[in-house]
Amino acid sequence: ILNVEQSPQSLHVQEGDSTNFTCSFPSSNFYALHWYRWETAKSPEALFVMTLNGDEKKKGRISATLNTKEGYSYLYIKGSQPEDSATYLCAFPSNTGKLIFGQGTTLQVKP
Amino acid sequence: DSGVTQTPKHLITATGQRVTLRCSPRSGDLSVYWYQQSLDQGLQFLIQYYNGEERAKGNILERFSAQQFPDLHSELNLSSLELGDSALYFCASSPHSVQETQYFGPGTRLLVL
Repeated sequence: ILNVEQSPQSLHVQEGDSTNFTCSFPSSNFYALHWYRWETAKSPEALFVMTLNGDEKKKGRISATLNTKEGYSYLYIKGSQPEDSATYLCAFPSNTGKLIFGQGTTLQVKP
Repeated sequence: DSGVTQTPKHLITATGQRVTLRCSPRSGDLSVYWYQQSLDQGLQFLIQYYNGEERAKGNILERFSAQQFPDLHSELNLSSLELGDSALYFCASSPHSVQETQYFGPGTRLLVL
């Protein structure tokens, strides 16, 4: 059974704080690792698809790194803003074609 | 706006009934995916279609079925509905494979009473 684990489950930070969270995935049969941002009452929105070991991707204040050998990815948010409040999901495509989602990290940024 | 559309937005029905959820993928995308999000649960993959053919299957109940039509829109049929089927159902699309970014529709919220 493939497991995608995210930690922490939830995070409360002050506006301006930088933060990061972790996604752990199986290191064998790696194809890609997806990050999505899911705001309340909306649908998940793609942030990054990462495919290469050592890859680092950036979108504004959000960046992500990937270590396929040890099976983890970090998502960083620099200078968190209230509009960053959302659930951040990582997802791992299995070799049977399923996209397996982690349970998510829910970030709350207080003004 | 992701370019993926889903109808209806909300659906209220009774136990034992049958409903059909509809999804139109982004223009040019051949793959359609269906997900279920129940209360306190994460996103659960149900099924994927690629260019009209079933490609991958997740934890989809036998009471549920799906299909993808020649114009690439997809329908998810839920029958003999139970209270526990109440959930948010998302459709997503991608150009081809599960390794690519998926674009999610706004979801259909189903309430079974």
